[in-house]
Amino acid sequence: DAMVIQNPRYQVTQFGKPVTLSCSQTLNHNVMYWYQQKSSQAPKLLFHYYDKDFNNEADTPDNFQSRRPNTSFCFLDIRSPGLGDAAMYLCATSREWKETQYFGPGTRLLVL
Amino acid sequence: GESVGLHLPTLSVQEGDNSIINCAYSNSASDYFIWYKQESGKGPQFIIDIRSNMDKRQGQRVTVLLNKTVKHLSLQIAATQPGDSAVYFCASYSSASKIIFGSGTRLSIRP
Repeated sequence: DAMVIQNPRYQVTQFGKPVTLSCSQTLNHNVMYWYQQKSSQAPKLLFHYYDKDFNNEADTPDNFQSRRPNTSFCFLDIRSPGLGDAAMYLCATSREWKETQYFGPGTRLLVL
Repeated sequence: GESVGLHLPTLSVQEGDNSIINCAYSNSASDYFIWYKQESGKGPQFIIDIRSNMDKRQGQRVTVLLNKTVKHLSLQIAATQPGDSAVYFCASYSSASKIIFGSGTRLSIRP
């Protein structure tokens, strides 16, 4: 049974057109993370939530925002996607901070 | 800054042989280490973890070894199978408790 679910799996958007990626979890974990992963590179942490507390990485562009309306759901909003934002976006959860992270299958974003 | 690095970006192994993927880390205060497997087009999948109070931990066909003296971590896969083909990432937590991923090793299996 899927524990971390990401929708859609593939997303095509136009340059500058806002896009929202979604993540849901059935694990009831406290922490949810969003990563960006470009081809052949390690995942790069964008931000994370501990419950409703939001933590932004210092080098995450302002173009990227996130919302966590409840324990189960977390959204990644890209306000004005550029060509450089084309990547795989991974959602992960962990029960507590500094515990094993469980990843979703990812959403591959293509920007035209 | 703190870093986690894989020794080889690619590794080719004969099917049935054992695979060893190595990783080095820079922060001597790191106390939790994880290995992830990522197949093409999928998210990373947890394989095994180890905390700094242990030197070795075994799972099903996988063993992780931790050498804190030289800040080295390895993943051993016994009797490598075609389904083991993937990119393997080691990860550790920094002094600021942020996870740091290594750059990944792509494991390919020769028939």
